[in-house]
Amino acid sequence: AQSVTQLDSQVPVFEEAPVELRCNYSSSVSVYLFWYVQYPNQGLQLLLKYLSGSTLVKGINGFEAEFNKSQTSFHLRKPSVHISDTAEYFCAVSYGGATNKLIFGTGTLLAVQP
Amino acid sequence: DTGVSQDPRHKITKRGQNVTFRCDPISEHNRLYWYRQTLGQGPEFLTYFQNEAQLEKSRLLSDRFSAERPKGSFSTLEIQRTEQGDSAMYLCASSLSGRDQPQHFGDGTRLSIL
Repeated sequence: AQSVTQLDSQVPVFEEAPVELRCNYSSSVSVYLFWYVQYPNQGLQLLLKYLSGSTLVKGINGFEAEFNKSQTSFHLRKPSVHISDTAEYFCAVSYGGATNKLIFGTGTLLAVQP
Repeated sequence: DTGVSQDPRHKITKRGQNVTFRCDPISEHNRLYWYRQTLGQGPEFLTYFQNEAQLEKSRLLSDRFSAERPKGSFSTLEIQRTEQGDSAMYLCASSLSGRDQPQHFGDGTRLSIL
């Protein structure tokens, strides 16, 4: 079955420290990968996407992610977090097909502390 | 680009009542999706429209749920005879055609069943 796993439900980190949010997906021949951020009572905002090409992709707000096909992972990183980065982060995968629907992980709450 | 708009933002209703939500996608987007997000979970796919045609429905979409997209513009999602388990955030997303096109999400409608 197609699935996305975010093992960390919550990641506490101090301001200006680096952070990595982990995402693994079930293997498939061809996948497109996305990270979305959700602030309280809001919808999802696209942070970055991997479609093809370079395995290191850069997104908004200083975030980047690395696609690793052999480990079926797409971890999100930021070298220095801010209080304003506190939010829920969702990894999502498109396994193709006619609809291009997204399969989401259960999310990781990034809690940045002063 | 005015973004995806959803109305209402919040809906509180008694069990057994019918509710209807509206989604206005980004104007040039021909693809429209509905997702449901329960507390502590990632969004789950409900249904997909290509223009006015509803091309896929998840098995999560019971007979009490119906979605329409007349004229390929705005979409409505109706839930009949609401149940406690219907309490969730209902998210709408739209995109252009093409597997590489990201989905843009609205802020959602939060449904609470009393």
